[in-house]
Amino acid sequence: KQEVTQIPAALSVPEGENLVLNCSFTDSAIYNLQWFRQDPGKGLTSLLLIQSSQREQTSGRLNASLDKSSGRSTLYIAASQPGDSATYLCAVRLLSGAGSYQLTFGKGTKLSVIP
Amino acid sequence: DAEITQSPRHKITETGRQVTLACHQTWNHNNMFWYRQDLGHGLRLIHYSYGVQDTNKGEVSDGYSVSRSNTEDLPLTLESAASSQTSVYFCASSEGSYSGNTIYFGEGSWLTVV
Repeated sequence: KQEVTQIPAALSVPEGENLVLNCSFTDSAIYNLQWFRQDPGKGLTSLLLIQSSQREQTSGRLNASLDKSSGRSTLYIAASQPGDSATYLCAVRLLSGAGSYQLTFGKGTKLSVIP
Repeated sequence: DAEITQSPRHKITETGRQVTLACHQTWNHNNMFWYRQDLGHGLRLIHYSYGVQDTNKGEVSDGYSVSRSNTEDLPLTLESAASSQTSVYFCASSEGSYSGNTIYFGEGSWLTVV
């Protein structure tokens, strides 16, 4: 069974700092990995989607990397801002089988950016 | 703009009552999903559907059912609500066939069973 772990569970940084969020998964046979943002009381918003054949994806100040062989992904946030405060979740989609369209989520990292 | 909407957004119900949470998407996506989110467990899949008349059980399906009579809607029914089903419920959808497509989530339905 695929398991996804995110460390740390919570992170507090001063505004302007660069930071890295970590995600690890146990089964490397994945189609893709997705990073989401969740604001309090809201749904999930997709930030970046990395296909299994890709090494990284970038969107603005966000860069996500994928090392499938080691079962790891990182989300790099440059020049953090208070508006980046949210919970960040990663999720993996399995390569095959009946669950191929399903996602397995980590429990998230709650980020606080202090002005 | 296409979207995915859930209703009700908040509901309080009594133990033993039947409850239905609605989910409607306007993207014409084939795939639809229901998740619940709880502290300490993260998001867990309840049921999912790959198209009209198709429904499948997820990781935590006991006590829940879904039906898919059209592309746009996937209502989630709690047959006899229990306190353990107090949670936040999220509906999601994605395009079919290509599993690399982004998944889109609704805003969530907060359910309290008393």
